[in-house]
Amino acid sequence: DSGVTQTPKHLITATGQRVTLRCSPRSGDLSVYWYQQSLDQGLQFLIQYYNGEERAKGNILERFSAQQFPDLHSELNLSSLELGDSALYFCASSARQDTSTDTQYFGPGTRLTVL
Amino acid sequence: GENVEQHPSTLSVQEGDSAVIKCTYSDSASNYFPWYKQELGKRPQLIIDIRSNVGEKKDQRIAVTLNKTAKHFSLHITETQPEDSAVYFCAAIDGGSYIPTFGRGTSLIVHP
Repeated sequence: DSGVTQTPKHLITATGQRVTLRCSPRSGDLSVYWYQQSLDQGLQFLIQYYNGEERAKGNILERFSAQQFPDLHSELNLSSLELGDSALYFCASSARQDTSTDTQYFGPGTRLTVL
Repeated sequence: GENVEQHPSTLSVQEGDSAVIKCTYSDSASNYFPWYKQELGKRPQLIIDIRSNVGEKKDQRIAVTLNKTAKHFSLHITETQPEDSAVYFCAAIDGGSYIPTFGRGTSLIVHP
């Protein structure tokens, strides 16, 4: 158990809908990262937040948004869902903000299925 | 942006053999190279990492080597065991942008 929690574990929804994925980092960690893992695209970095502020942005679609709250938990919002958004979404956390020095600990993931 | 190529996509070995997985990267600004192991249905877990000021790092049966000039790094697993069977991902992290780029993964199968 990495100490990172994600809810829900599974999510099934329809095209065009909006969903929210939630992540709680390890105690004391200030950075939260979101990743998308699909069969055709592999593991893709979406976005990083550090202590409430956006720190780095990867291949995140405009239909997706995220935020980190004062208690450091984070939410990833996915809207106007398409079939291709079906994937495993991982959250990770690290102590500080530098991905080149910090170890990231991954949560168990949320499996999103868009029908 | 950074591009990471990982080979092979599948690697099948007999228990006790060695396994080598190779990754190449394109951006010379990348300075941190972690390797993750992901078992079926589970989260990626960091198994070893190397920074650009180091050429080799070992941890028991696992080692990673880095050739900055050629822009490639490799994961070496010796005396493989069935529990080593998993998908292994390499990543390269740009020290300036902090954006991690992952390889497509290698499915390692260790036959008893």
